[in-house]
Amino acid sequence: DVQMTQSPSTLSASVGDRVTITCRASQSISSWLAWYQQKPGKAPKLLIYKASSLESGVPSRFSGSGSGTEFTLTISSLQPDDFASYYCQQYNSYPGTFGQGTKVEIK
Amino acid sequence: EVQLVQSGAEVKKPGESLKISCKGSGYRFTSYWIGWVRQMPGKGLEWMGIIYPGDSDSRYNPSFQGQVTISADKSISTAYLQWSSLKASDTAMYYCARGPIGWFDPWGQGTLVTVSS
Repeated sequence: DVQMTQSPSTLSASVGDRVTITCRASQSISSWLAWYQQKPGKAPKLLIYKASSLESGVPSRFSGSGSGTEFTLTISSLQPDDFASYYCQQYNSYPGTFGQGTKVEIK
Repeated sequence: EVQLVQSGAEVKKPGESLKISCKGSGYRFTSYWIGWVRQMPGKGLEWMGIIYPGDSDSRYNPSFQGQVTISADKSISTAYLQWSSLKASDTAMYYCARGPIGWFDPWGQGTLVTVSS
């Protein structure tokens, strides 16, 4: 299985901050990576697919980059609605493994 | 609107069987994979397996192979996740989600399964 490692596990930030979350794959996954946001008690929501393609309806402050084994999710200016957990997922090969998650907390 | 609606919460005893469902609407059910994802209390997301309702082709995470069965009934646009003998460690939230080409979107609302004696 491809192992996905996210960092940090927890991130404390303030409204307006630029936030970056990193996801590393144990082997190359090309650009076959998605990012999700999950709020407490809710189902995950797709933000980014194919490493950098923004899902329709997702605010443009979210962006994704990377290829191969290293990827980033950036929130350019953190908003109150963005405090949540974020997960990366590779879909280059089965099973489509998720990272362990990053919780973005209010500083 | 593309929507996946899951069956309601379940409380079961160890050793019991269970089948939960996920009904798709607003799109051609037979043309997209449906995946199942586990989230244990306070933990992250785990990819369990997927099924293509068009021909019932399925793929499992080796960690879940033999522990669960994924199926689909395309006549009623519904996918299923079932257990033949539940364990306390199966207590979790289970999500279904549509998989266009590997990523998942949208997701069902989740089904909470509690296994307790």
